[in-house]
Amino acid sequence: NAGVIQTPRHKVTGKGQEATLWCEPISGHSAVFWYRQTIVQGLEFLTYFRNQAPIDDSGMPKERFSAQMPNQSHSTLKIQSTQPQDSAVYLCASSLLGGDEQYFGPGTRLTVL
Amino acid sequence: AQSVTQPDARVTVSEGASLQLRCKYSYSATPYLFWYVQYPRQGLQMLLKYYSGDPVVQGVNGFEAEFSKSDSSFHLRKASVHWSDSAVYFCASRTGNTRKLIFGLGTTLQVQP
Repeated sequence: NAGVIQTPRHKVTGKGQEATLWCEPISGHSAVFWYRQTIVQGLEFLTYFRNQAPIDDSGMPKERFSAQMPNQSHSTLKIQSTQPQDSAVYLCASSLLGGDEQYFGPGTRLTVL
Repeated sequence: AQSVTQPDARVTVSEGASLQLRCKYSYSATPYLFWYVQYPRQGLQMLLKYYSGDPVVQGVNGFEAEFSKSDSSFHLRKASVHWSDSAVYFCASRTGNTRKLIFGLGTTLQVQP
């Protein structure tokens, strides 16, 4: 079991550029979550998929952020026109359908210069 | 709105000493409660969870937590800490009708030899 895989581990973008973050959930897990971690705000929920369908995106900023899950083996978080305040560690987690334990990946550290 | 508060940003204890990390939740009903641990350069891992029943729940590596409805608390305890317990500990909650986790800001535990 490789765990949740997130790529890249580190990404540096210039202000205004686009960033795409990838997540591969644990095989057999039907729920995928995205969180953002910063020193000031801590861990914040962004969005959640179940069986590839978006269920709850209440934490997603209304502009520039989007997430997709085109198949059961990966999800992407895309940030358009990145801003310095988007700098954070973006965490992906997966769980079994109906399961309570969320298994977290190591995160992608995004730095926007 | 649902919230989780961890009043201690940093706790330092000596190896072999007992430990209590504090967590307070705010929600009108009893939420589902969790403790997660984040070791350096690793993803978050769940230590234990509470839904209902016996207010003292056992977790991995000798950790336990006690739920108190009257105090709106879910404190984490360990009888004797080891240097390898040094990490960041997060208390989290969710309500019954959603899978998204609400996290506290975390408590950094440093175990001194």
